Amino acid sequence: EAQVTQNPRYLITVTGKKLTVTCSQNMNHEYMSWYRQDPGLGLRQIYYSMNVEVTDKGDVPEGYKVSRKEKRNFPLILESPSPNQTSLYFCASSLRGFNQPQHFGDGTRLSIL
Amino acid sequence: AQKVTQAQTEISVVEKEDVTLDCVYETRDTTYYLFWYKQPPSGELVFLIRRNSFDEQNEISGRYSWNFQKSTSSFNFTITASQVVDSAVYFCALSEERRGSTLGRLYFGRGTQLTVWP
Repeated sequence: EAQVTQNPRYLITVTGKKLTVTCSQNMNHEYMSWYRQDPGLGLRQIYYSMNVEVTDKGDVPEGYKVSRKEKRNFPLILESPSPNQTSLYFCASSLRGFNQPQHFGDGTRLSIL
Repeated sequence: AQKVTQAQTEISVVEKEDVTLDCVYETRDTTYYLFWYKQPPSGELVFLIRRNSFDEQNEISGRYSWNFQKSTSSFNFTITASQVVDSAVYFCALSEERRGSTLGRLYFGRGTQLTVWP
């Protein structure tokens, strides 16, 4: 089954404790991206990747890192999480770009205390 | 300035009413793509439709229809004879195609919460 898998689905942690949210897709898609969803703000793009080893910042990249060492994986790293990063996070992928429909993961709800 | 504006934060209707969700976008590109996504209470994001800037034909899919008007930079979504299962947050999104490049970005509106009461 074609899917985008995020882990964990839920995480409660404390300020400053490094964490990684994994994202994996099995559709051989070139493009992958991360979004955060906050009440009243919709979805905002954090980072995106056009292919292996090619990444770029989205609208709200501060406090986040990403890497794309393999085509299928695009982890989101919070080196020193802060409470303002409490949010619902979505990973997405598409075959060749943002002019195509995005396939979204089920979301990861992060709470930073 | 927001690239995609969904002015309606929340809409409530009673089942069987028609409802239109507004989406206004802003871009200088001549080539761009517009999308609608649905987020039901379970939280996942579901793709509904894509429209490119060269195709102004309106589209109908069952009870759903979309009205794309370049003259007003709008891409509105109408649900006819709404049902309780239509209750969800609906997002409009814009992707621009930069001249000379295949890179693009994806901008979402803030979403409209639609509640359909039985």
